[in-house]
Formats: sequence, structure tokens, C-alpha cells
Amino acid sequence: KAGVTQTPRYLIKTRGQQVTLSCSPISGHRSVSWYQQTPGQGLQFLFEYFSETQRNKGNFPGRFSGRQFSNSRSEMNVSTLELGDSALYLCASSLEGQGSEQYFGPGTRLTVT
Amino acid sequence: EDQVTQSPEALRLQEGESSSLNCSYTVSGLRGLFWYRQDPGKGPEFLFTLYSAGEEKEKERLKATLTKKESFLHITAPKPEDSATYLCAVQAESNYQLIWGAGTKLIIKP
Repeated sequence: KAGVTQTPRYLIKTRGQQVTLSCSPISGHRSVSWYQQTPGQGLQFLFEYFSETQRNKGNFPGRFSGRQFSNSRSEMNVSTLELGDSALYLCASSLEGQGSEQYFGPGTRLTVT
Repeated sequence: EDQVTQSPEALRLQEGESSSLNCSYTVSGLRGLFWYRQDPGKGPEFLFTLYSAGEEKEKERLKATLTKKESFLHITAPKPEDSATYLCAVQAESNYQLIWGAGTKLIIKP
């Protein structure tokens, strides 16, 4: 079966701009979680959506937001970009959520200059 | 505070040289412990879930074990293709979201 896809794979933005990242989960998976990965902080949980509802949220500022559509595809948005937002953003889909086997996409590499 | 610590940060082995990676955790009640493998430029790939002390799971050259304070990922006779970063994550009973360790970078030399 097709895996998790994320678009775009690479992105370069300027401070102050906003960005939208997209994630298409595995067919049949209703849970989509977003993570930020940096060399210094490792994997950090952003939020999880399940059947179009945000079920859990990590400790990130309100500039980070997301949504999930009826077909389970998800988007995350970062407004007013800061240099520290440069990271690999990973999306993971699963049947039941973080407590079950998660399938990760390849990630979107965001660079903020 | 819930915490996950992985050691060592990096491990270099010769092909065929068995070893173990450690994941120590401090949580108020364990719901589950997860092992993932991450190759450069890719997202993590699920390996195992362990739920209770004494539980063991195996997959090819990998074997994961769990005690009340830590988990070990044993690698038997590794091959160069086992080279990757191995991540451990814990889900506490009191907190739904996963807490991730920093990972162990494993390098297997032919």
C-alpha cells in the first residue's frame, strides 16, 4: 500500500513569512501526528488530528497550527517564521494514534533565512 | 518529570559484533515503549512496542526487552545495513503524547 507522503520535500523561507506543509496519510488511517525534528531537540510533538479533530497538542506557540480534512489529509501552518523554526517536519499516520504503530513520511525540510 | 534517555549517543561496531542499545525512562506509569529506526533523509520506521516488564520482541537480528526502568535493543551479528539512528519513545499513562529519546546512532563497519 502507498506510504505517507509529504509535500513539499524542501522549502526555503524568509523570517516573517508563513508556510503551509501538507501530509497525505495511508489510506484508512484516521490519525495524523506532526513532529518537529532538530539536531538539538530531537523529535518534538506538535499536534495530532483524529477524524478532523485536534486530539492533542504539544508545547509549541500559537504560530503553529494545523487542520485535517474529511479525507484525512492534513496540513500544518507556521506563521511569522523565525530562524529557530528551521527543522525537519515529520508527519505520521496511524490507525489509533501515537500509542499505536505510526508510519512516518519522509518529512519536509524547512530552512528559514 | 517524564523523561527518556538513550545511551550511548553513538556506537561503532564491526560487522558481526553484537551489542546493545539502552533506553532509560522515568514516567509515572508506563502505557507503552516504542522503538523506531531512522535512516538519513527518511522518517522513522516502526520496530517494536513493549507494554510490560519482562516482555521481549524479536525481528531478524533485533531483540527488544523491557524492565520497569529501561529497555534494551540487542543487535546480534549486525550487518552494515543495520546502520541507522535508533529512537526510543515512551507513552505514559498520565500523558497521551509520546516522549522521545535523542536516539543512538549505530554504525556497522564491513
